[in-house]
Amino acid sequence: QQQVKQSPQSLIVQKGGISIINCAYENTAFDYFPWYQQFPGKGPALLIAIRPDVSEKKEGRFTISFNKSAKQFSLHIMDSQPGDSATYFCAARPKAGAGSYQLTFGKGTKLSVIP
Amino acid sequence: DTAVSQTPKYLVTQMGNDKSIKCEQNLGHDTMYWYKQDSKKFLKIMFSYNNKELIINETVPNRFSPKSPDKAHLNLHINSLELGDSAVYFCASSQDLNDGYTFGSGTRLTVV
Repeated sequence: QQQVKQSPQSLIVQKGGISIINCAYENTAFDYFPWYQQFPGKGPALLIAIRPDVSEKKEGRFTISFNKSAKQFSLHIMDSQPGDSATYFCAARPKAGAGSYQLTFGKGTKLSVIP
Repeated sequence: DTAVSQTPKYLVTQMGNDKSIKCEQNLGHDTMYWYKQDSKKFLKIMFSYNNKELIINETVPNRFSPKSPDKAHLNLHINSLELGDSAVYFCASSQDLNDGYTFGSGTRLTVV
């Protein structure tokens, strides 16, 4: 049972363009939604995270949009650069006391930004 | 200083062997985790360990056993290795339930 569905599986974007990665979840107990960035040979690194009390969070070129009613959230990378080429994972975790507090990850999106 | 360090980085071993992967974090975090990343990059939780409470993912074979000598260490021992155990294993830690994870750089296990 996949609790967090991520799309697309792969994405090619021109330099300077906008990269958009989408995730959907079913468990209404989720209340923490981070995005991780992973370069080849490295561990995932926390990029940006959001909680359901806000609809958008922006950090530099990275923005999370959150739609609680639709149970969807997305990552937008503005002015995409070749250095952004990596695999991106969305994740979700239930609120404390609502069972396991482990992160559940989406299956990842391989982003390639071409010059 | 490396926040979450794993050793070894690469491990090649024969089927049937027993091996261990070590993980140490110097962040003072309370919770540590082991994740398995398969060839398709899917990250799956194996264990989490918080204040002496071990939470085991039910799908993990009992050949896998985590050992935590103290709050800063969570090692993974694997008995009777199988070909299907080949993957990258990541250790991670977090301060509390409201915190993001810090991952190690991974251990690539290859069973031949």
